[in-house]
Order: sequence, then structure tokens, then C-alpha cells
Amino acid sequence: DAKTTQPPSMDCAEGRAANLPCNHSTISGNEYVYWYRQIHSQGPQYIIHGLKNNETNEMASLIITEDRKSSTLILPHATLRDTAVYYCIVLQNQAGTALIFGKGTTLSVSS
Amino acid sequence: GAVVSQHPSWVICKSGTSVKIECRSLDFQATTMFWYRQFPKQSLMLMATSNEGSKATYEQGVEKDKFLINHASLTLSTLTVTSAHPEDSSFYICSARMAGGSYEQYFGPGTRLTVT
Repeated sequence: DAKTTQPPSMDCAEGRAANLPCNHSTISGNEYVYWYRQIHSQGPQYIIHGLKNNETNEMASLIITEDRKSSTLILPHATLRDTAVYYCIVLQNQAGTALIFGKGTTLSVSS
Repeated sequence: GAVVSQHPSWVICKSGTSVKIECRSLDFQATTMFWYRQFPKQSLMLMATSNEGSKATYEQGVEKDKFLINHASLTLSTLTVTSAHPEDSSFYICSARMAGGSYEQYFGPGTRLTVT
């Protein structure tokens, strides 16, 4: 699976948009981009995923560049409860393939 | 929907004893379940992948005789830590993938194991 690169930490003011970047320059054509987050001492939570089109759900938006070498997760109105470690993972959607977690980005939202 | 539970949420055991952790998919059938562990201030590390009715596949460096995984049904997988030692103290997290269609993994809340 392709490797991802994320900044180790980011800060965001409550109510503002949080834009979390991810670089996946070696992504292959059949690999999806997944985003998960982990709030302290809890199991990871699925946020969103996409292949090449931008995606939006009730939690976030995912913007994937046209060459698919990078993406941005957008939390439109960050709250204190969004403080967590955010993981960007690329994965082929095949039976038996597991999410492999890197170090992620620690997002700190402050009031 | 897509809720995964783990039991117990935390456990303290003495060195040399065995501990069983259960992972259940509550509202869906899971053909594949995964076990991870996480040490303090580190990321999740995949331990093994289990498919219902077959033997688990362990990641390199994970002792299959020490970490016994059983996936006897489409809603239940168990991880037994045998002859636990203090270095096995960790946060153990399971995840499950729905049978058919979606490839998202849904994670349990984790089990905190402390071996004294």
C-alpha cells in the first residue's frame, strides 16, 4: 500500500474550518484514500473515504487533487470535540486488506 | 449502525495468567475482523487478521501461540493473551468489516490490559 505523509500537529480555533493535508504521491490507481480519527483512549472512528472525486458527508469533506497525489480533509466548523489524532490511509478495497496506521496529525481545537 | 463492542473495557491480571478479550459486531455480520494494539503515545499496530471459520493471519513479529485468535461466528472474535507478562500491557483494539460491499472498518472502543 502507498505511504502517506501528514504534518505531526495542527492547531485550529473553535468555529473555524480545519484543513488537514495528506501527501500520497505514490498512490496507485485502485487505491482509495481513507480518513479516520482517534480521540484519546478510544477506538478510531471512520470519517470519510474517496477514490478520485471529492466527497462530503455529515462529518467532513474530502478534496482529492486531480493527480491524486495529495488530499485535504476539511472539518467545516471545528469544535473542541474534534480534538483528536487524524489518520490518512490509502488502501486497496480488497477482502482481507487491513488499515495500516501511520503517525497521523494531532489536531488541537481551542476556544 | 455499524457498532462494534469489546469486553472487557479494561482488565488487570497477574503475570503468567491468560486473558480473553471479546470483540462483537452488534448490528452487522463481519466476515473479517482485525486486531490491533497500541502502546502509549504510539500509533495502532496491526497484530492479525481473522476470517470467520478459518485460522488468523498474524503480522510479522506477533507470536501466534501467545496471542490466540478465534473467529467462530460472523459476529464474534476473541483474542486470548496467554501467559501474560508486563510487556503485554497495552491498549487492544478490534475492528470489523461488513460482509459484502462496503470496505470500511468499524472499530471497537478498545480494551486496556495491565499485567502486574
